[in-house]
Amino acid sequence: ILNVEQSPQSLHVQEGDSTNFTCSFPSSNFYALHWYRWETAKSPEALFVMTLNGDEKKKGRISATLNTKEGYSYLYIKGSQPEDSATYLCAFDGSSNTGKLIFGQGTTLQVKP
Amino acid sequence: DAGVTQSPTHLIKTRGQQVTLRCSPKSGHDTVSWYQQALGQGPQFIFQYYEEEERQRGNFPDRFSGHQFPNYSSELNVNALLLGDSALYLCASSFGLGGNEQFFGPGTRLTVL
Repeated sequence: ILNVEQSPQSLHVQEGDSTNFTCSFPSSNFYALHWYRWETAKSPEALFVMTLNGDEKKKGRISATLNTKEGYSYLYIKGSQPEDSATYLCAFDGSSNTGKLIFGQGTTLQVKP
Repeated sequence: DAGVTQSPTHLIKTRGQQVTLRCSPKSGHDTVSWYQQALGQGPQFIFQYYEEEERQRGNFPDRFSGHQFPNYSSELNVNALLLGDSALYLCASSFGLGGNEQFFGPGTRLTVL
């Protein structure tokens, strides 16, 4: 059974703090790692699709790194803002021709003004 | 572009009943995947449709079935509902198979009483 783990489960930070979360996934049969941001009552929004070991991607204040050999990815948020409050999900795609995503349970971030 | 749309938004059924959920993919997308998100968990893959055929299936019983229409829209059917089927059902669309970015709809909240 493939397991994708995210930590921490929840996080409370003050506005302006920088923070990071971890996603652990199987290191074999890797094809892609997806990060999503999911705000309450909205659709999950794709942040990054990462495929190469050592990959680093950035979108505004949010960035992510990928280590496929050891099976982990970090998501960083620099200078957190209240609008960053959401659940951040990672999803592992272990095959090149299915797109069957295996999700972690998510990290819920609350940014206090 | 309306993005991925799902209907209905909410649904209440009783045990033993049958339910049909609907999904319209993002314009230009031809692949639809369905996920179930139970409380406190990450989304779990149910199945994926491409070219009107079920291509991949997760660990869900045969009570869960689906269909894809020529216009790429899709239905998820669940027969003989159980209390444990209460969850948020998410639809995601993408172009082709493989590790392409998946765009999610807002989900259908199913409550089984």
